[in-house]
Amino acid sequence: RKEVEQDPGPFNVPEGATVAFNCTYSNSASQSFFWYRQDCRKEPKLLMSVYSSGNEDGRFTAQLNRASQYISLLIRDSKLSDSATYLCVVSGSARQLTFGSGTQLTVLP
Amino acid sequence: EAGVTQFPSHSVIEKGQTVTLRCDPISGHDNLYWYRRVMGKEIKFLLHFVKESKQDESGMPNNRFLAERTGGTYSTLKVQPAELEDSGVYFCASSQDLAVFYNEQFFGPGTRLTVL
Repeated sequence: RKEVEQDPGPFNVPEGATVAFNCTYSNSASQSFFWYRQDCRKEPKLLMSVYSSGNEDGRFTAQLNRASQYISLLIRDSKLSDSATYLCVVSGSARQLTFGSGTQLTVLP
Repeated sequence: EAGVTQFPSHSVIEKGQTVTLRCDPISGHDNLYWYRRVMGKEIKFLLHFVKESKQDESGMPNNRFLAERTGGTYSTLKVQPAELEDSGVYFCASSQDLAVFYNEQFFGPGTRLTVL
């Protein structure tokens, strides 16, 4: 079983749509949670950290459920520029990052 | 401020040859990480330096891989001898302060290694 599981997609959505990604993690000792974005043939870049209380950054909302070991990302009003692979990432006390395999999003005009 | 840089961007070598990858972290970042993504798989941790010391090398696949960070600045990752399964993208990342709970790691552009 993978440590971080994501639906690989692809998700193809029209501009303006709302799309949600889900992720589960297996290590209950995980301490920090993130969503990274990776464009084709580029490096991963931090999109947002995910806090227990849930957090929002503009059109992006992230939620964490520690009891279910579940993380989500909601993107509202999708833009063409949101097309990318979204990586669910967790970290423990050692601070090394454990990545999911990513969910591919394509926003269509 | 310059980001994490990696050299070379691409490397194509034959099985059995040696390749050395270099990473320059963001200035002032004590923590340096190596990760790699092989075809069709997720990005996986290789090792972590704090300054010049190896903090965690649990992800290193075997003894053909040698990482160094002399002087606590740039790091090199040597693969000797390279095997076909070593092909992939090798990312370096750096971060500032481990004591910060949500400690962002900044990634370099990666080195794409192809072993023929």
